[in-house]
Amino acid sequence: DGGITQSPKYLFRKEGQNVTLSCEQNLNHDAMYWYRQDPGQGLRLIYYSQIVNDFQKGDIAEGYSVSREKKESFPLTVTSAQKNPTAFYLCASSILVGGGADRADTQYFGPGTRLTVL
Amino acid sequence: AQSVTQLGSHVSVSEGALVLLRCNYSSSVPPYLFWYVQYPNQGLQLLLKYTTGATLVKGINGFEAEFKKSETSFHLTKPSAHMSDAAEYFCAVSASGGYQKVTFGTGTKLQVIP
Repeated sequence: DGGITQSPKYLFRKEGQNVTLSCEQNLNHDAMYWYRQDPGQGLRLIYYSQIVNDFQKGDIAEGYSVSREKKESFPLTVTSAQKNPTAFYLCASSILVGGGADRADTQYFGPGTRLTVL
Repeated sequence: AQSVTQLGSHVSVSEGALVLLRCNYSSSVPPYLFWYVQYPNQGLQLLLKYTTGATLVKGINGFEAEFKKSETSFHLTKPSAHMSDAAEYFCAVSASGGYQKVTFGTGTKLQVIP
């Protein structure tokens, strides 16, 4: 079955630690995204990537880092510089629609990782 | 720039009643519009989307939405609510902006009262 997997489902971090959230897709999508979800704030874009070895900052990239060494994988590291990391993190992927009006088509989401700082 | 406004962070309906979730968007170019549903502690699932063509879009689970350009709206409706519809719903817009980005609304939690 094609889809997106995220691991772990729950993650606990101590103050000052870096943690890495995994995201893998087998949909052959070019674009991948990381969002942070907090109650009442909807989804906020952290980073996105349109192609291997390239990624762009989203709206709230400070304190996070990513890599895109393979098309299928887009791990997110939450660093100790992120002051309020407790949240629900969602990974997504999509095809890209070109032809002069480049835009993202349907995004397919993973099940999410809930990160809690102890 | 593009944006989405969802009116009402919480909506309650009785089982069997009409569901109406409101979404207004702003976009400088013709948009793609989406509705997603999220059940607790899960990812988002696409309900329906509008790209071009017919303005009334039908989705899964009996939901539909109508694109109204003059009102910049994309409201989500379902004729008869079911208990299983209780979830959070997100409206989203995608428009050309130099890079591929989807902007999500802040969500509307739907409560269905038996």
